[in-house]
Amino acid sequence: AQTVTQSQPEMSVQEAETVTLSCTYDTSESDYYLFWYKQPPSRQMILVIRQEAYKQQNATENRFSVNFQKAAKSFSLKISDSQLGDAAMYFCAYEGGSNYKLTFGKGTLLTVNP
Amino acid sequence: GAVVSQHPSWVICKSGTSVKIECRSLDFQATTMFWYRQFPKQSLMLMATSNEGSKATYEQGVEKDKFLINHASLTLSTLTVTSAHPEDSSFYICSARLAGVFRADTQYFGPGTRLTVL
Repeated sequence: AQTVTQSQPEMSVQEAETVTLSCTYDTSESDYYLFWYKQPPSRQMILVIRQEAYKQQNATENRFSVNFQKAAKSFSLKISDSQLGDAAMYFCAYEGGSNYKLTFGKGTLLTVNP
Repeated sequence: GAVVSQHPSWVICKSGTSVKIECRSLDFQATTMFWYRQFPKQSLMLMATSNEGSKATYEQGVEKDKFLINHASLTLSTLTVTSAHPEDSSFYICSARLAGVFRADTQYFGPGTRLTVL
């Protein structure tokens, strides 16, 4: 079974600084997708970024970028120029196989200090 | 685009009653929808996968007779919690899988429904 591990239960960053959230996963599949979702206090899950495993190029979305290391099964999220609105729980998620199920990590609670 | 709604956003009911939660994809068709449960300060736990026109597939340990799922159309799935008890109190989230349009192969989530059973 696939597993997703987020080893940092909590992280904090100063406003305008950069922070990296870690995620590792375990799978025997070669084709899969990886995601980072953000869950603010409203509890609405918001897609931050996605990465297709067959793509070597790391995905970027404005201030958000990933460092995808397929061989190491690592998928970290970098948030640049952190803003107060980035404060939230961040979940790393894996999707593989034909059933399209998402497997979530336990989450990292990010605090942004002014 | 890719908006998913849930109704109601919160509900309080008495023990023994049934509660229905609706999940709608507003601007796309979703052949597959998912239902999750989330306890405070925990991750999302997949309860079941709902495919339009067929029976839902439940995860191990989820009672299919307690959590009835119906996916009658490409834009609507419902979760009915039957004979609810206080231990069923939780935050229920649905998602819809968007394929072929906008950004393929991505799940988009509804805002969630907070269920409190007294």
